[in-house]
Amino acid sequence: GQQLNQSPQSMFIQEGEDVSMNCTSSSIFNTWLWYKQDPGEGPVLLIALYKAGELTSNGRLTAQFGITRKDSFLNISASIPSDVGIYFCAEHTSGTYKYIFGTGTRLKVLA
Amino acid sequence: NAGVTQTPKFQVLKTGQSMTLQCAQDMNHEYMSWYRQDPGMGLRLIHYSVGAGITDQGEVPNGYNVSRSTTEDFPLRLLSAAPSQTSVYFCATYSGAVGANVLTFGAGSRLTVL
Repeated sequence: GQQLNQSPQSMFIQEGEDVSMNCTSSSIFNTWLWYKQDPGEGPVLLIALYKAGELTSNGRLTAQFGITRKDSFLNISASIPSDVGIYFCAEHTSGTYKYIFGTGTRLKVLA
Repeated sequence: NAGVTQTPKFQVLKTGQSMTLQCAQDMNHEYMSWYRQDPGMGLRLIHYSVGAGITDQGEVPNGYNVSRSTTEDFPLRLLSAAPSQTSVYFCATYSGAVGANVLTFGAGSRLTVL
């Protein structure tokens, strides 16, 4: 099945460092979503992006919808231990019920 | 307001046994779906429903059945469990309204098939 290419697969960083992860696709999309999954829980929405070039922040998180509409990145500034988890990008094609998920970036923060 | 509730949270089955994973939502969302999460595979869609009485297959439907008799409930049935169905299962919903296309997930059900 179709999936988004998400990188890196995993990251180990020191507390206080900035983090960057991205998602790419061979297709053009209408909506990019970024989710975080805490250990033992379901994914929770962090940021939704609806227009090419859109840059949106949510606290220490910033995400951008690529101009080509084929990619998106998520940045986390000044990481803290509770940032640990799996981050998923997802795409939704408007007018359909179809979502496609990336394979996830597993983040570990070392205190 | 509970959102999306999944039960059970954990289950161990023997090969060939049957069981049902329950999903209930109190948000009056039209769309409900089941995903499975496996290491390195992300989230893959099993089945989905766009309203009571309407279901359709997703990416990996084999070995699973669903039904949607009410807006609130969307159970996932395993008729004869296999070790390949060991996974974490998530139910997810959204309203379908314009501009409200964000999936809301339950906390997950971890299934082990021996």
